Amino acid sequence: AQTVTQSQPEMSVQEAETVTLSCTYDTSENNYYLFWYKQPPSRQMILVIRQEAYKQQNATENRFSVNFQKAAKSFSLKISDSQLGDTAMYFCAFMNPSGGGADGLTFGKGTHLIIQP
Amino acid sequence: DAGVIQSPRHEVTEMGQEVTLRCKPISGHNSLFWYRQTMMRGLELLIYFNNNVPIDDSGMPEDRFSAKMPNASFSTLKIQPSEPRDSAVYFCASSPGGNYGYTFGSGTRLTVV
Repeated sequence: AQTVTQSQPEMSVQEAETVTLSCTYDTSENNYYLFWYKQPPSRQMILVIRQEAYKQQNATENRFSVNFQKAAKSFSLKISDSQLGDTAMYFCAFMNPSGGGADGLTFGKGTHLIIQP
Repeated sequence: DAGVIQSPRHEVTEMGQEVTLRCKPISGHNSLFWYRQTMMRGLELLIYFNNNVPIDDSGMPEDRFSAKMPNASFSTLKIQPSEPRDSAVYFCASSPGGNYGYTFGSGTRLTVV
């Protein structure tokens, strides 16, 4: 079974700063997918970014980028030029595609990110 | 597209009562998932369906929980009888298949008193 670990329960940074959220995972699979989801106080789960394990290039979506280290089983999220609206819970998630994409996501416990004005 | 629609948004019920949560997935998505979120256990996968067929219900905590998907546009999660420890936010999510991640509904906050 896969496990996902987020070691930072809470982080706080000033607006406009860069912040990195850490995530490690454990799997014996070689092909898999990794995701970061954002959950603001509205509790809506929003997909931020995804990464295919077979791709060496790190995924980027505007101010959000990842540092994917496959050998180390690490998948950190970097938020540049942080904004007040980035305040939310952030969840790292793992998916094993062996079930044709129908396997569920395994989530970490989350990191509560607070952006201070 | 209206996204994944869940109802009700909030539900308060007394212990022992039956509770039914509803979900309408995005049209064309052939996979549907039910998750439960609590402070203690985080996000847990309860059950998922592929093409309306339950694939894995190993996450369903007890026989008091049951889920159905009678057609591609509707699913229910039922708890009977409900207990205070069932209090949580229940999310429904759907996916078109492949590995594009899932679209979540807004969740149902269930409180059992």
